[in-house]
Amino acid sequence: DAGITQSPRHKVTETGTPVTLRCHQTENHRYMYWYRQDPGHGLRLIHYSYGVKDTDKGEVSDGYSVSRSKTEDFLLTLESATSSQTSVYFCAIRGQGKHEQYFGPGTRLTVT
Amino acid sequence: AQTVTQSQPEMSVQEAETVTLSCTYDTSESDYYLFWYKQPPSRQMILVIRQEAYKQQNATENRFSVNFQKAAKSFSLKISDSQLGDAAMYFCAHMDSNYQLIWGAGTKLIIKP
Repeated sequence: DAGITQSPRHKVTETGTPVTLRCHQTENHRYMYWYRQDPGHGLRLIHYSYGVKDTDKGEVSDGYSVSRSKTEDFLLTLESATSSQTSVYFCAIRGQGKHEQYFGPGTRLTVT
Repeated sequence: AQTVTQSQPEMSVQEAETVTLSCTYDTSESDYYLFWYKQPPSRQMILVIRQEAYKQQNATENRFSVNFQKAAKSFSLKISDSQLGDAAMYFCAHMDSNYQLIWGAGTKLIIKP
């Protein structure tokens, strides 16, 4: 257990509304990641962070922004949600001095 | 672009038997890491096993072992003595030189009692 929580766990929202998902970790990990999971695609990287205020884009970053003002929190924002952003979102951390990633429980987001 | 391919969308095995899940990957790097993750119906992603490419010895974790063929860029997962709790989606992943994971599409493993 890498002490990762995500909130909310489930959310239903309407097209065009802003949505923010939160990832919180308790073990001071430097690297944090946001992925989305869709059937047939495995996981795809949206954005990642390598420190406070240090972030970079992943494979599917269009329509998403992130912020990291504290080591423990990594926020994912959908400025104007679209139906194509209906997905399960996972946050992950990279262990200290390790290469594997550990995941939060996921957030199921439905955009109607 | 680096890719990871899992050619078996679904596999089934009798309880207590052995099953092998296939994974191939594409990379031009010589040093990298490979992983198998398990995702049960609870949706939690769980690390099963990892392999460092510079190690010739295949990784093992209890009933889980890998067959790593570097030249063939193949990384299969063998599950021995299959148990009902092994039923899940299994994902193969390759870590590139930027420490980012490239994922396969997954294999659904069904355990028959």
